[in-house]
Amino acid sequence: EDQVTQSPEALRLQEGESSSLNCSYTVSGLRGLFWYRQDPGKGPEFLFTLYSAGEEKEKERLKATLTKKESFLHITAPKPEDSATYLCAVTGTASKLTFGTGTRLQVTL
Amino acid sequence: DAGVIQSPRHEVTEMGQEVTLRCKPISGHNSLFWYRQTMMRGLELLIYFNNNVPIDDSGMPEDRFSAKMPNASFSTLKIQPSEPRDSAVYFCASSLQFTIHFGQGTRLTVV
Repeated sequence: EDQVTQSPEALRLQEGESSSLNCSYTVSGLRGLFWYRQDPGKGPEFLFTLYSAGEEKEKERLKATLTKKESFLHITAPKPEDSATYLCAVTGTASKLTFGTGTRLQVTL
Repeated sequence: DAGVIQSPRHEVTEMGQEVTLRCKPISGHNSLFWYRQTMMRGLELLIYFNNNVPIDDSGMPEDRFSAKMPNASFSTLKIQPSEPRDSAVYFCASSLQFTIHFGQGTRLTVV
């Protein structure tokens, strides 16, 4: 069974304080690893897809990386508007998207 | 592109009543998913369809839950009878290949 574990559960940063979120996974035949952002009262919003170890993708202050066992979401110089829950998910040969429980990020002034 | 459209956004119902949640996927997408989100269990896949055919319903909690997709532009998730433990946010999502796009969800409260 595919599994995704995210850490930390919650993270509080000051504006400009860079950090990383971790996503550890086990999956049969990785077809893709996904990062989503979810704001309160809204559906998850797609950020990135990573397909193979060594791949990296960037969007504004976010950078996602992938190894054979885990993915990191690096947040550089975060701003208060980056506050949200960040969800990691994987899909494998079963073609189902399995989510982690997320990291709640709060960025304060 | 209007995205995945769900209705209603909020639903409050009494225990034992039937509840129907509705979803319109993104036009052209061939896979549709129903997820449930709770604080305790996070996002759980209930069922997914490919080309309107149910592929995996192993996540459906019990026989009280049923889902249909009569055509490529509409799906329903029905709970009958509803119970307080069904209270959650239910998301519909659709995809063409790997990337899944979510609707805004229906917050269901069963009292």
